[in-house]
Amino acid sequence: SYVLTQPPSVSVAPGQTARITCGGNNIGSKSVHWYQQKPGQAPVLVVYDDSDRPSGIPERFSGSNSGNTATLTISRVEAGDEADYYCQVWDSSSDRVFGGGTKLTVL
Amino acid sequence: QVQLVQSGAEVKKPGSSVKVSCKASGGTFSSYTISWVRQAPGQGLEWMGRIIPILGIANYAQKFQGRVTITADKSTSTAYMELSSLRSEDTAVYYCARDSPQGAFDIWGQGTMVTVSS
Repeated sequence: SYVLTQPPSVSVAPGQTARITCGGNNIGSKSVHWYQQKPGQAPVLVVYDDSDRPSGIPERFSGSNSGNTATLTISRVEAGDEADYYCQVWDSSSDRVFGGGTKLTVL
Repeated sequence: QVQLVQSGAEVKKPGSSVKVSCKASGGTFSSYTISWVRQAPGQGLEWMGRIIPILGIANYAQKFQGRVTITADKSTSTAYMELSSLRSEDTAVYYCARDSPQGAFDIWGQGTMVTVSS
């Protein structure tokens, strides 16, 4: 089965840039999607197809994907960005796969 | 604007079954693919399976094969997820979500808490 690996936590000061990674074997050949989940709420799609944003998602959210690592970048981090973030791909053997999630803390 | 509204919280005994509904409003239900994702307390997201209502075809994650059944009623624009032989480890919030053409989950239901306890 295909495995996606995320760091359990990332901390960043307000106004700085947060980078959350998602590692997987040759993940650069797959489309990666990212979700934001705040406590007690359903997840929200923030980036799809590696780097595209759904309507309504701020430009501060961006994504990249190459080799064995995909990255979600949040620029000019705000207190409201504090949440859990999950990466997700489709894999031919495992179908939909999620990473374990990363808790973003805004200091 | 498409919305997915799920049924309310459930408390079940071990060994029993639960059936959660997900009603879609807006858009064309039959053209969607609806997936089910669960999240145990304090844990991550786990994909369970999906259904293509227009075809009535469902696919399941290997972990849940034989224990989960996903169906859809086109006449009421409602998808269902039934999980059987419940155990305490099935205590979780269950979400339905729409599969976008890009393979991402672009719209989510509000979630349904299922508690399995004797």
